[in-house]
Amino acid sequence: AQSVTQLDSHVSVSEGTPVLLRCNYSSSYSPSLFWYVQHPNKGLQLLLKYTSAATLVKGINGFEAEFKKSETSFHLTKPSAHMSDAAEYFCVVSEVRGSQGNLIFGKGTKLSVKP
Amino acid sequence: GAGVSQSPRYKVTKRGQDVALRCDPISGHVSLYWYRQALGQGPEFLTYFNYEAQQDKSGLPNDRFSAERPEGSISTLTIQRTEQRDSAMYRCASSLGRGQGGYEQYFGPGTRLTVT
Repeated sequence: AQSVTQLDSHVSVSEGTPVLLRCNYSSSYSPSLFWYVQHPNKGLQLLLKYTSAATLVKGINGFEAEFKKSETSFHLTKPSAHMSDAAEYFCVVSEVRGSQGNLIFGKGTKLSVKP
Repeated sequence: GAGVSQSPRYKVTKRGQDVALRCDPISGHVSLYWYRQALGQGPEFLTYFNYEAQQDKSGLPNDRFSAERPEGSISTLTIQRTEQRDSAMYRCASSLGRGQGGYEQYFGPGTRLTVT
């Protein structure tokens, strides 16, 4: 069975400092992994995705994530936080069979950015 | 182009009433997914369709929940005899449903359901 564990429910950083949001996954098959962001009162937006190509994935707004199979991790990073990055972030795993991929979401990490 | 739309955005209903939530996917998207998100949690899968065929309804919590997509486009999630525990954000997503990148899902804004 697939699962996703987001190791921190809340992360607080200062503006201009690096961001690290941790995610570990469990999957019986070759997983596809995603990070989604949810700003208050808005829908879910895809930040980036890993689908068995390059292990370092670059996304929007300066975010990137590295797939590490040996560690079953897919941590999200950004070199320098911006106030607009304050949101909730979800790590997501999808079991890819053919063209289907139901998404399994983590519980989310709320990112706060202090001025 | 237009993204995924959902209506209503907010719904308040009394316990015991039936509700119907609508999802209009991105034009041309084959697959349509329904999720439920409780406060402080990530979305949880309910059901999905390829075209008009319901492929998986294993996430529907009980038989009060049903969904349809009769013409392979717009979908309706119906909750009968609502209970307070049904209160949540209901999210719809659609995807192309083909190939490696085809399953990237695009989410609508959600319907916030409150059962009083």
